[in-house]
Parts: sequence; C-alpha cells; structure tokens
Amino acid sequence: DGGITQSPKYLFRKEGQNVTLSCEQNLNHDAMYWYRQDPGQGLRLIYYSQIVNDFQKGDIAEGYSVSREKKESFPLTVTSAQKNPTAFYLCASSRDRSSGGYTFGSGTRLTVV
Amino acid sequence: GESVGLHLPTLSVQEGDNSIINCAYSNSASDYFIWYKQESGKGPQFIIDIRSNMDKRQGQRVTVLLNKTVKHLSLQIAATQPGDSAVYFCAENMLTGTASKLTFGTGTRLQVTL
Repeated sequence: DGGITQSPKYLFRKEGQNVTLSCEQNLNHDAMYWYRQDPGQGLRLIYYSQIVNDFQKGDIAEGYSVSREKKESFPLTVTSAQKNPTAFYLCASSRDRSSGGYTFGSGTRLTVV
Repeated sequence: GESVGLHLPTLSVQEGDNSIINCAYSNSASDYFIWYKQESGKGPQFIIDIRSNMDKRQGQRVTVLLNKTVKHLSLQIAATQPGDSAVYFCAENMLTGTASKLTFGTGTRLQVTL
C-alpha cells in the first residue's frame, strides 16, 4: 500500500543536541512538507519541497533544516538553535500543485528532556 | 495577515444527529478549501475539498458549503457516529506557479455522545 512513513513515533532529545526525523513516501508525489503541531493548535508549516534538490522555508523555519536528495525522502533536522522543539511533527506529501489533498504521515512526537 | 479561524473550539453532538462545523477565512485569493479529520496521536486525514468557484460539494455523509460573500466555510456530517469523534481542521490553499501551500485553522473538537 502507498503511504508516508515517519519514524520514530516518539523521540527524546537532550537540550543542545540535534535530532533528525525521517519521512519516506512511496506515492510518487513531487511535493513534500513538514508541519509542526503544538497542543490544541493547528499545523504550522516549517519547510516544503516541490522537487528534488529544492526546498523553501515555511512560516517557522528558524532552528530547522531539511534536505531533499531523493524524491521519496524529506528528512527534517531539529537543531539546537530551535528554542522550543517539543512538539508533534507531521510530514505530508502531495502531487505538484495539488488542490490540497495532502497525505500525512502518522507523526513524530519530539520531547526535549 | 492571512488567517483561517474556527468559530467553536468544541462541539458536542448526540449520536445520530447531524453535525455542523464552521470556519471563517480571510484570504479571498485562496483556490481551494479543505477539511481534515485528525484523531488523537495521528496525522490529519483528508475528508473533502471544494474549489473556490463552487458553493457546495457532497461526499459520503459529508457536505461542504462555501459562502464567499461572508468568507465562511462549513462541514456538515450526517448521522454522526462515535467514530466521527476527532478534531476537524479547515485549511485554505492558494496555488502559485508550481506550488501549493496550505494554511490551517486551529481546529474544532467534535465529541459524539451516546
């Protein structure tokens, strides 16, 4: 079955450490996205990529970095520069210029300890 | 700035009744409006979308209404079931060039009572 796989589901990080969240899709979608969700709030866009080897900052890119070396993969690194990294991170993909029917992964819950 | 908001943070509905979830938007240039359902600990799931040049669209047990005059979007769920309990998000999508970019509202929690 096609879909998006995020790993790990739960992640704990010590302050000052970088951590990378994985996102893989086998839907042959061109575009991929990373969102952050805080409790009781909506989703905020961190980074997005419309094509391999290209990506753009979203609304809250500070303290995050991404790469898009393969169409199927869009990993997100939460760096030590991110002051409040504890959140639920969601990866999504869509056909290029999609109407909005994004397919989301099941998310990674990151906790800083 | 542009925003997508919701009128009610929590909605309680009795099983079998119809549910109506409302959303206000501010960006008149949006091309599509979308409803997502999110269950606890999971990613959002696409429910239905509507193009900006339409007023109504129906799916299985769901109907989305778009009123561009007052910038209002609603999701109607017929014969609400316990499995419908979740947080519902509206989102707007403005297509530019080769890109699409969703802006999400804060969500409405639907509680289905027996």
